[in-house]
Amino acid sequence: SQKIEQNSEALNIQEGKTATLTCNYTNYSPAYLQWYRQDPGRGPVFLLLIRENEKEKRKERLKVTFDTTLKQSLFHITASQPADSATYLCALGPETGGGNKLTFGTGTQLKVEL
Amino acid sequence: DAGVIQSPRHEVTEMGQEVTLRCKPISGHNSLFWYRQTMMRGLELLIYFNNNVPIDDSGMPEDRFSAKMPNASFSTLKIQPSEPRDSAVYFCASIREGMGTYEQYFGPGTRLTVT
Repeated sequence: SQKIEQNSEALNIQEGKTATLTCNYTNYSPAYLQWYRQDPGRGPVFLLLIRENEKEKRKERLKVTFDTTLKQSLFHITASQPADSATYLCALGPETGGGNKLTFGTGTQLKVEL
Repeated sequence: DAGVIQSPRHEVTEMGQEVTLRCKPISGHNSLFWYRQTMMRGLELLIYFNNNVPIDDSGMPEDRFSAKMPNASFSTLKIQPSEPRDSAVYFCASIREGMGTYEQYFGPGTRLTVT
């Protein structure tokens, strides 16, 4: 069965630096991959989607890469701010033609310090 | 739009009692998902409805769990009887399938504590 891994340890970085979060998966070929942000006591909020035929996607200070050979996605936040502190979840979409079922990683907690 | 609405926000119950969680998806969305989130296992899909029909219930842990979607604007997740290991945050999410978008909209969750 598929397995999805995110850095289990929290990531602490200094304000203004680039945060890079990793999502690795095995035994699967998702048609797309999504990233969500979750704040304490709240539901996840969608950030970005990248499809299997895309290498990179950008949205404001966010950038996502998708390497289907390595089976890895990297999520970057440039010029990080304390307000970016949250847990970030990677989610695999279905294999092509498989509906909209998502499989989530356990998330990486990011803390941006002044 | 009001977003996905869940109730109650918090539920504390004793082992053996029946628990019913409720969800109202975003108007116009035709798919609904129930998830459970714990520290150990993360966010797990329990069941997925499309046009009020259960499509995938492979994540429902056991017969104590059941879910219904009687119409497009309401769904319930019931646990009977509840056990301490059911303690978790339960999320409902919705999406409008067939529009070329795949982002799921999550509700605020119900924090369930079974003592």
